Amino acid sequence: AQTVTQSQPEMSVQEAETVTLSCTYDTSENNYYLFWYKQPPSRQMILVIRQEAYKQQNATENRFSVNFQKAAKSFSLKISDSQLGDTAMYFCAFMLNNNDMRFGAGTRLTVKP
Amino acid sequence: NAGVTQTPKFQVLKTGQSMTLQCAQDMNHNSMYWYRQDPGMGLRLIYYSASEGTTDKGEVPNGYNVSRLNKREFSLRLESAAPSQTSVYFCASRGRVRVGSIYNTGELFFGEGSRLTVL
Repeated sequence: AQTVTQSQPEMSVQEAETVTLSCTYDTSENNYYLFWYKQPPSRQMILVIRQEAYKQQNATENRFSVNFQKAAKSFSLKISDSQLGDTAMYFCAFMLNNNDMRFGAGTRLTVKP
Repeated sequence: NAGVTQTPKFQVLKTGQSMTLQCAQDMNHNSMYWYRQDPGMGLRLIYYSASEGTTDKGEVPNGYNVSRLNKREFSLRLESAAPSQTSVYFCASRGRVRVGSIYNTGELFFGEGSRLTVL
């Protein structure tokens, strides 16, 4: 069974600074997908970024980027120029093709003014 | 564009009562999911349906039943609610994304969640 581990239950960062959230996963498969989801206090799950395992290039979406290390089974999220609106729970998720998605326990990020 | 809609948003039950959470998506997605979210545990998969007419168990299926009524709708039923089922429930659907000439697995789109309290 696939597992996803987020080792940082809580983190904080000053506004405009950079923060990195960690995620590791365990699988014996070669083809899979990785995601970061954001959950603000509204409870809505919002996709931040996705990465296909067959792609060597790290995904980037504006201020959000990932460091995907396939051999190490690591998938960290970097948030640059942090904004107050980035305050949320962040979940790392793993999915095999045509299969269910497994989530980590989440990291609560607080951006301080 | 409504996306994924789930009802009710809030529900309080007594132990032993039954209820059904409804979920509908308007994105023509084949796959639909039910998750529960508990503090410190992330989201855990209860059941999923890869396509109309099929359902499969996830990590925590005990105490739940599901019905894939048609392509749009996927309901979750608690036959005899227990306090351990107090949680926030999320429905989600998944489609595919076209990348050039191939289709990749798409991400999950979530409903707004339903908070269920069992007394």
